[in-house]
Amino acid sequence: KNQVEQSPQSLIILEGKNCTLQCNYTVSPFSNLRWYKQDTGRGPVSLTIMTFSENTKSNGRYTATLDADTKQSSLHITASQLSDSASYICVVSDRGSTLGRLYFGRGTQLTVWP
Amino acid sequence: EADIYQTPRYLVIGTGKKITLECSQTMGHDKMYWYQQDPGMELHLIHYSYGVNSTEKGDLSSESTVSRIRTEHFPLTLESARPSHTSQYLCASSAQGQTSSYNEQFFGPGTRLTVL
Repeated sequence: KNQVEQSPQSLIILEGKNCTLQCNYTVSPFSNLRWYKQDTGRGPVSLTIMTFSENTKSNGRYTATLDADTKQSSLHITASQLSDSASYICVVSDRGSTLGRLYFGRGTQLTVWP
Repeated sequence: EADIYQTPRYLVIGTGKKITLECSQTMGHDKMYWYQQDPGMELHLIHYSYGVNSTEKGDLSSESTVSRIRTEHFPLTLESARPSHTSQYLCASSAQGQTSSYNEQFFGPGTRLTVL
């Protein structure tokens, strides 16, 4: 069964600190993995997308890693800001259909305190 | 910022009412999607469309229906709303012709529906 598991479920950090969010998946055949940021009451916004051949990608203070062998990904946030408070969702796409079906994790709810 | 819009953003209605959630995109995307999301839970695909006059049911069974008469417009309708329909509904779109390795979906802001 294709699944995406994220940890931790929630995380509280102080402003300026770094943090790392984890994602494990069983989706096969694998196409790509992306991290989305979803602010409360808003739609998800893409942060990074990685294909099988990419093992790291950065977007400003966000750095995602991918280990396709162990089917794990992480999202590292550097020097956190209050505006980073949001849900971070790991999404994996398969290449077994023309739809490019997406499998969503439940997200990690990050809260940054001043 | 993606050019995909949803209205209304919030809707509170009584049981038995008919409602239509609007979704429009100005990117010329062929593929469009509706997802349902409950608090703390993952997004579930309830409907999708490959293009005009194409509609398909997603993974999660839903009593809602959709239509795709125009490329840019993908409304979702509930004929008789019930409290179990209370949820957030997210619309998304992606470009046809992209390789499956980069099937990026752009999401609208969502509609928070509450049925009393």
